[in-house]
Amino acid sequence: DSGVTQTPKHLITATGQRVTLRCSPRSGDLSVYWYQQSLDQGLQFLIHYYNGEERAKGNILERFSAQQFPDLHSELNLSSLELGDSALYFCASSPVPRGTEAFFGQGTRLTVV
Amino acid sequence: AQSVTQLDSQVPVFEEAPVELRCNYSSSVSVYLFWYVQYPNQGLQLLLKYLSGSTLVKGINGFEAEFNKSQTSFHLRKPSVHISDTAEYFCAVSDPQGAQKLVFGQGTRLTINP
Repeated sequence: DSGVTQTPKHLITATGQRVTLRCSPRSGDLSVYWYQQSLDQGLQFLIHYYNGEERAKGNILERFSAQQFPDLHSELNLSSLELGDSALYFCASSPVPRGTEAFFGQGTRLTVV
Repeated sequence: AQSVTQLDSQVPVFEEAPVELRCNYSSSVSVYLFWYVQYPNQGLQLLLKYLSGSTLVKGINGFEAEFNKSQTSFHLRKPSVHISDTAEYFCAVSDPQGAQKLVFGQGTRLTINP
């Protein structure tokens, strides 16, 4: 158990809908990262937050957004969902802004039908 | 930009045999290097990491890796594998000074046969 909690574990939704994925980092970790894992793209970095502030952005679509709250949990919002958004979404946390090690959650498997 | 190439998408080996999973990276700056393992239906677990210092890095579960700067490689090795090592293995790189993200390779599926 990495100490990173992601909910829900599975999510099935229809095209055009909006979903929110939630991540609770390890106790004391200020950095939260979001990654997408899909069969065609592999593991791709989406976005990084440190202590509530956005620090880096990767291949994140405009339909996706994220935030980190004062209690350090983070949410990834995916809207206008398309079939191609079906993937495993991972959250990872680390104690410092420049990660020398990231601890991954179990992921949320999103299926868009 | 950084990139990682894992040279084998699948590696089948027999139990108790040695294994090497190959990883090459491309970067114009110094790097941190990582190997993660993903067991079926689970998240990613860190096996080992190279930040600086000794080029031979030992990790969990008997794995080790060697950083070779001249060949821009970070191959993962284990002298004797077990059935429980069956999993997907990911090599990753990050920039110590730049964006705080991991760039992953496409993964190597290690299958251990009895």
